[in-house]
Amino acid sequence: QVQLQESGPGLVKPSETLSLTCTVSGASISSYYWNWIRQPPGKGLEWIGYSHYSGSANYNPSLKSRVTMSVDTSKNQFSLSLTSVIAADTAVYYCARWGGDHLQSFDSWGQGALVTVSS
Amino acid sequence: EIVLTQSPGTLSLSPGERATLSCRASQSVNSNSLAWYQQKPGQAPRLLIYGAYSRATGIPDRFSGSGSGTDFTLTISRLAPEDFAVYHCQQYTTPPLTFGGGTKVEIK
Repeated sequence: QVQLQESGPGLVKPSETLSLTCTVSGASISSYYWNWIRQPPGKGLEWIGYSHYSGSANYNPSLKSRVTMSVDTSKNQFSLSLTSVIAADTAVYYCARWGGDHLQSFDSWGQGALVTVSS
Repeated sequence: EIVLTQSPGTLSLSPGERATLSCRASQSVNSNSLAWYQQKPGQAPRLLIYGAYSRATGIPDRFSGSGSGTDFTLTISRLAPEDFAVYHCQQYTTPPLTFGGGTKVEIK
């Protein structure tokens, strides 16, 4: 059974960098595409982007200038970095596995990590 | 970017009733890339339907998906107490991947 777990600071100051890590168990990080999705309090879901162990990545154009994602195969983890954060970046951040060409959807999710941007 | 509009925003129904949720796209979506998720308070979304029609592993058959082109529907044939939640649709026909705003199914 695949399990994903987000970790990282729950509070980030404006203009600083938000950094989160997702640890994957029960599946190899060298398969699939690994994604970050966020949900501001009381609002809908927003796809941030994906990373792949090959080094490829694809980001939502709305965040592309501030986002970097990477995969660490030695630790079976992948990570998100979001620079120059503002209050509007306050959200629950989920890591999720893309289920592949057959599913074309997210079949496994982490429990979510609330990140608040505030001074 | 393909915009997904879900309606209604809130659906108030009683257990045992039928729920019909709509997801309308701003341009045509490939059925293979249309999915539905269920989200309960404080939890991550859970995949219900992929490829517009196919139920994910472990999803009861009271959940069904239909539609094509720009109009898709999630139907819950008889609402069970555990079905009261928020439902999201998602597409990845054209990047970026987008979600609808969600429909909340609440107890009447």
